[in-house]
Amino acid sequence: QVQLQESGPGLVKPSETLSLTCTVSGGSVSSGSYYWSWIRQPPGKGLEWIGYIYYSGSTNYNPSLKSRVTISVDTSKNQFSLKLSSVTAADTAVYYCARENFPGIAVAAYFDYWGQGTLVTVSS
Amino acid sequence: QSVLTQPPSVSGAPGQRVTISCTGSSSNIGAGYDVHWYQQLPGTAPKLLIYGNSNRPSGVPDRFSGSKSGTSASLAITGLQAEDEADYYCQSYDSSLSVLYVFGTGTKVTVL
Repeated sequence: QVQLQESGPGLVKPSETLSLTCTVSGGSVSSGSYYWSWIRQPPGKGLEWIGYIYYSGSTNYNPSLKSRVTISVDTSKNQFSLKLSSVTAADTAVYYCARENFPGIAVAAYFDYWGQGTLVTVSS
Repeated sequence: QSVLTQPPSVSGAPGQRVTISCTGSSSNIGAGYDVHWYQQLPGTAPKLLIYGNSNRPSGVPDRFSGSKSGTSASLAITGLQAEDEADYYCQSYDSSLSVLYVFGTGTKVTVL
């Protein structure tokens, strides 16, 4: 059974960089069959896809966040990470890491395993 | 930023059938891209409920079913149970050069 677990600070100051890591167990980030994604959910609101990384290091980001987002992968630790720079209160959200299953083509992708999520609050 | 529109809420008595619509456009659902559905119980992470328009992952009861037609998709819950009270989100791919993966606005299902 694949499991994902987010870790990182729960409080970040405005203008600083949010950094989170997702540790994968029961599966490998080196698998060529999946993308590894970050998704966030502001309190009381809906879901927003942030971006994904492939084991090769190729990435794709939400254009609305692209200038501030970096997703990286560490295959030796079976982890992938998110960095979001210049945060504001609008970035306060529960951040989820998820495995993105693309059966053959990326346009058919869906998120089949999710971490429990971690609340990140942006406040001074 | 949601480009997939869902009703904010639906409700039904135990045992009843409820449906949740997900309306998109020609750049996502109408373009033929698959629709997937997630269930989010209070205080928990979303869980995959339906993938590829109408397929259920192992362990998901057959009370849940999905369909797609034109620029819309639907999730049906038959034999509604108290444990089905949750938020439900649809998701698809969008080819409009904006965000690749889009989620619906979300629907709260209340069991009366």
